[in-house]
Amino acid sequence: SQQGEEDPQALSIQEGENATMNCSYKTSINNLQWYRQNSGRGLVHLILIRSNEREKHSGRLRVTLDTSKKSSSLLITASRAADTASYFCATDGPDSWGKLQFGAGTQVVVTP
Amino acid sequence: EAQVTQNPRYLITVTGKKLTVTCSQNMNHEYMSWYRQDPGLGLRQIYYSMNVEVTDKGDVPEGYKVSRKEKRNFPLILESPSPNQTSLYFCASTLSGSLNSPLHFGNGTRLTVT
Repeated sequence: SQQGEEDPQALSIQEGENATMNCSYKTSINNLQWYRQNSGRGLVHLILIRSNEREKHSGRLRVTLDTSKKSSSLLITASRAADTASYFCATDGPDSWGKLQFGAGTQVVVTP
Repeated sequence: EAQVTQNPRYLITVTGKKLTVTCSQNMNHEYMSWYRQDPGLGLRQIYYSMNVEVTDKGDVPEGYKVSRKEKRNFPLILESPSPNQTSLYFCASTLSGSLNSPLHFGNGTRLTVT
């Protein structure tokens, strides 16, 4: 069963614009991670945020976590064509030891 | 170079013919996992391993077997493949089963069962 669900399913923006995608999950978590996947390749880790953290930054990426709403958002600022990819959130929790569960992903297309 | 290596990258086989997809990591990671990816369903966990000789079922284990005899290797075995196992498979590893560090993914194995 999927723990996380990303929204929207697909997003199309122009270079320079910001892209925001959301992840909602159902049960309590220990950590939430965001990954990027380029066209059928292996996933690449972007950011890990722990349940006691509210916000993290990494370069042009900003992740927020609201455990009261069981949701997280990933913001990509000043997007580039190279940001075109699918983005997935993944969660692990105290009720699912050893399991890291992924959502279905958001497909982002950045046009020049 | 730190990496997770899966082989083969592409595999076409027929129903019922046993196959093994290999996975190896060179980072001394304790935790390893197999996922399958199907359109619209994201990644679903098949099996995972917390350490040598410790394996457990994920969300979709039916039709698959794994073993963890050495720390670096975690092969995925399909004893009698069926067409519904046609999918893109990923192996991943991380430091420990506490999952508070990033997963490293292999490049995937695209399996077609006819």
